[in-house]
Amino acid sequence: AQSVSQHNHHVILSEAASLELGCNYSYGGTVNLFWYVQYPGQHLQLLLKYFSGDPLVKGIKGFEAEFIKSKFSFNLRKPSVQWSDTAEYFCAVNQAGTALIFGKGTTLSVSS
Amino acid sequence: DGGITQSPKYLFRKEGQNVTLSCEQNLNHDAMYWYRQDPGQGLRLIYYSQIVNDFQKGDIAEGYSVSREKKESFPLTVTSAQKNPTAFYLCASSTRDRNSPLHFGNGTRLTVT
Repeated sequence: AQSVSQHNHHVILSEAASLELGCNYSYGGTVNLFWYVQYPGQHLQLLLKYFSGDPLVKGIKGFEAEFIKSKFSFNLRKPSVQWSDTAEYFCAVNQAGTALIFGKGTTLSVSS
Repeated sequence: DGGITQSPKYLFRKEGQNVTLSCEQNLNHDAMYWYRQDPGQGLRLIYYSQIVNDFQKGDIAEGYSVSREKKESFPLTVTSAQKNPTAFYLCASSTRDRNSPLHFGNGTRLTVT
């Protein structure tokens, strides 16, 4: 079955530390890749997405993600996190005509 | 403003009762989705519909039913057959364009006692 794996359940960082959240998927063929974020008490928001082209994708709030096809990965990065980045992050994948499948999420806690 | 409306925000039911969660969108989106969010489980797909009068089961459809009689509406019924119905339910919609991200509602928290 198709699946999405997020390796880290809970990540704790200090402000200004660098962030990398792992995401791997098990789909074959062409995929669409997304990262969503859910801030405390808020609904899910799209952080960034990849469909084709440059495998390094820039999103909002200084986040970026790199699609590595050979590794079936789409890791999320940010060079320097802020306290306001505390949230839950979800990687999601689909293929044309199919519904989006989400990973289990990674909770990021940033201390000031 | 266009968006997705889920109602109610909180819902309480007794075990053994069916309950229907509402989801309405005015974004003119063809596709609509229901997800269930549980701590540590992420979002799991219950049902989705890409066009009126058609829908497909997701990964955890057992104990749930849906209908899609109108483009704007995609109600989810949690039946008494659902063994663990207490959860946070999210409705989403998108266009059928592969580049279209999901738009989410604010969710309904269902508690069954």
